[in-house]
Amino acid sequence: DQQVKQNSPSLSVQEGRISILNCDYTNSMFDYFLWYKKYPAEGPTFLISISSIKDKNEDGRFTVFLNKSAKHLSLHIVPSQPGDSAVYFCAASPNYGGSQGNLIFGKGTKLSVKP
Amino acid sequence: GAGVSQSPSNKVTEKGKDVELRCDPISGHTALYWYRQSLGQGLEFLIYFQGNSAPDKSGLPSDRFSAERTGGSVSTLTIQRTQQEDSAVYLCASSLELRVTDTQYFGPGTRLTVL
Repeated sequence: DQQVKQNSPSLSVQEGRISILNCDYTNSMFDYFLWYKKYPAEGPTFLISISSIKDKNEDGRFTVFLNKSAKHLSLHIVPSQPGDSAVYFCAASPNYGGSQGNLIFGKGTKLSVKP
Repeated sequence: GAGVSQSPSNKVTEKGKDVELRCDPISGHTALYWYRQSLGQGLEFLIYFQGNSAPDKSGLPSDRFSAERTGGSVSTLTIQRTQQEDSAVYLCASSLELRVTDTQYFGPGTRLTVL
């Protein structure tokens, strides 16, 4: 059973608009969440993270929101740029502050930003 | 500086053969992780190393899979008697320490195809 779910396999957005990528999780023990971006034929690259003690974390054009009661997080990209076109993976860990780093990933959402 | 490198980038093998995948982590990174991504799936965690030791092998899909790390650096993932369901992209990542808050840097992956 999937513990991290990204229910939208793809998303298409116009350049300059906001992109909102969603992620749901089932394990209430998860307390650290990350977003990775992946271009074709490359490994994933870290984008932004959030711990469960926060509900928002912002880094430039990227903001992650966490709703613990709903077990839901979202990544907002604004304004979206064509170079943001990639597959975005949500990941979670129950080990914030601990000593184990394995992550549980969703299946990814392919974002296409059209000029 | 150099990132995580993996070799080979592509491997085609026949069912029943053994394969060995190699990962060179970022110099100085003590933690190393193996994941795989099957078609249409998210990244599946396989195993992590802290130095040369792998305390938890429960993520390996079967006893045909093994991994080792020598000298706290290079790691090899070996799959014996390959099966068609082993076809996937195998990704290696490394981080400075074994902490979930330490960014995992991924290599480009090895695409394994079992005929």
